[in-house]
Amino acid sequence: SYVLTQPPSVSVAPGQTARITCGGNNIGSKSVHWYQQKPGQAPVLVVYDDSDRPSGIPERFSGSNSGNTATLTISRVEAGDEADYYCQVWDSSSDHPYVFGTGTKVTVL
Amino acid sequence: QVQLVQSGAEVKKPGASVKVSCKASGYTFTSYGISWVRQAPGQGLEWMGWISAYNGNTNYAQKLQGRVTMTTDTSTSTAYMELRSLRSDDTAVYYCARVYASGGHAFDYWGQGTLVTVSS
Repeated sequence: SYVLTQPPSVSVAPGQTARITCGGNNIGSKSVHWYQQKPGQAPVLVVYDDSDRPSGIPERFSGSNSGNTATLTISRVEAGDEADYYCQVWDSSSDHPYVFGTGTKVTVL
Repeated sequence: QVQLVQSGAEVKKPGASVKVSCKASGYTFTSYGISWVRQAPGQGLEWMGWISAYNGNTNYAQKLQGRVTMTTDTSTSTAYMELRSLRSDDTAVYYCARVYASGGHAFDYWGQGTLVTVSS
């Protein structure tokens, strides 16, 4: 089945920009979603369909997707952004249609 | 507001079965699908399967085929996930999630999670 690869960890200072990548074969042809998960909590959708934000998600969270890499960008990082982040795609033609990335731990220094 | 409320934690012995419920409110239950996702301790998210609350169609992850059954009760707006022949590596937090009906089918609302512990 389809494989999504993320860096295990990203470290960023408060106020700086964090970029989390999600690599997959021709991922640019698929819709990518991003979830934030804090310890002991359920995941929360922060970006869907590559670059749309659900209501209530700050504009600091943005997404892009092209070629073999999708990227979640967190601008003006705050301490509260420290969490695990997962990308996900939906492949309607696959017998395993929902695939999650390996996850990235974002640490705010 | 949309809410998915799951049943409480379970402790099961190897070989037993577990059935987790997910009660939905705040939206028309039959207009969306429900996916189940699990997370083993310290691990990432694993998609288990999907069920249409409209017609009951299902799609299960191949590795769980034959051990998992997902159902819905539209009269109570509740989804269920039953996992049989439990093993120690089934120990995980199990989540239900609503599948957004358009675009790339994101999981827009999640239950709070149900810890299932498999231990002799």
